[in-house]
Order: sequence, then structure tokens, then C-alpha cells
Amino acid sequence: KQEVTQIPAALSVPEGENLVLNCSFTDSAIYNLQWFRQDPGKGLTSLLLIQSSQREQTSGRLNASLDKSSGRSTLYIAASQPGDSATYLCAVSQGNNRLAFGKGNQVVVIP
Amino acid sequence: DTGVSQDPRHKITKRGQNVTFRCDPISEHNRLYWYRQTLGQGPEFLTYFQNEAQLEKSRLLSDRFSAERPKGSFSTLEIQRTEQGDSAMYLCASGASDEQFFGPGTRLTVL
Repeated sequence: KQEVTQIPAALSVPEGENLVLNCSFTDSAIYNLQWFRQDPGKGLTSLLLIQSSQREQTSGRLNASLDKSSGRSTLYIAASQPGDSATYLCAVSQGNNRLAFGKGNQVVVIP
Repeated sequence: DTGVSQDPRHKITKRGQNVTFRCDPISEHNRLYWYRQTLGQGPEFLTYFQNEAQLEKSRLLSDRFSAERPKGSFSTLEIQRTEQGDSAMYLCASGASDEQFFGPGTRLTVL
């Protein structure tokens, strides 16, 4: 069974610092990996999708890397802003139509 | 708004009652997913439809749960004889290929 772990569970950073969020998974036979953002009491917003054949994806201030062989992905958020405060969820697909999620990284950006 | 919509957004019910949730996916998406999320956890997969066919069900989906997607458009998730342990956020997602797009969720509270 695929297990997804996100470290740290929670972090606070001052505004302007870069954020580094880590995700690890136990079974490297993945189809793709997706990063989501979730605000309190809300649904999930898709941030980036990385196919298993890709090493990274970028969108604006966000960059996600994937090292499939070691079972790791990292989400970088450059020059953090208070509006980046949210929970970030990592999810992997093994091509069986279901996503396996971690518990999330809860981020607070302090103005 | 052309995103995934869910109704109701909040539902409070008494133990033993039946509840039904609705999900309207993005119109061109043939794939539809249901997940359940409890506080502090990542979403857990419940079931998957491709068009009107329910192709996969998690073991989490006990016989009190049933999901349908008539005509391959909207979907309903029904919980019969609700229990306090059913209290959670129920999330619907849709997709046309690999990426999944989530709705705002239905928050269920069972008293």
C-alpha cells in the first residue's frame, strides 16, 4: 500500500522567505504526483502536476521537483507572501485512478 | 463558474438518518471521484466513475454508502443510517486525463 509522508507537518516563516515543503512516498512505481493547496474548511486547488517521466514543473513562484527513484518530491515557493498561508497536500497516482494523499504541510507566512 | 460544484456545502444530521450529496463535475470531464477527509488528515479515496460506470470502490465504502452517476453527468453519494464516525468533509473531483480538479466539498456533521 502506498504511504505518503509530508514533512514538516507545520511551519511558520516570515514574509519574503522561500518555502521548502517535502513529500516522500514508499512505492516509486507512480504514474504522476500532484501538489494541492487547501484553505481552512475549503476544497483543494490543484497547483502542479508532475508526470513520472518529468523531473520538475514550474508555475509562477512555485516549483516542484520529483525524484521518483528515491520516492521524493519537493515544492518550493519563492518569496512567500501572507496569502500563501494554507495547507499544502501532496498526492501520488499509481495509474489506478485513485490519489494517495499525505497529511499536508500547514504553512503560516508571518507579515 | 465552470468548476466542480457540490451541494449542499454543509449538512447536519442526527445519527441514523440518511443523507445524499450531489456533485456536478466540469462538463467535459468523463472521470469523477469521491474522497473523504477527516480533520488533520489528507483525503481518502472512496470511489471512481468513468462516464456512468463505477469502476473502483474503496474498502472504506461500506454497504451503507452508495454512489451513482446516471447518464455520466452529475453524481450522488448517499449514506444510509449515518453514524458519528461518518462526520467528515466529502470531496468530489473530476478529470479528463491525469489531473484531478476538486470541488469545495460537503461538510457532514452527524450528531
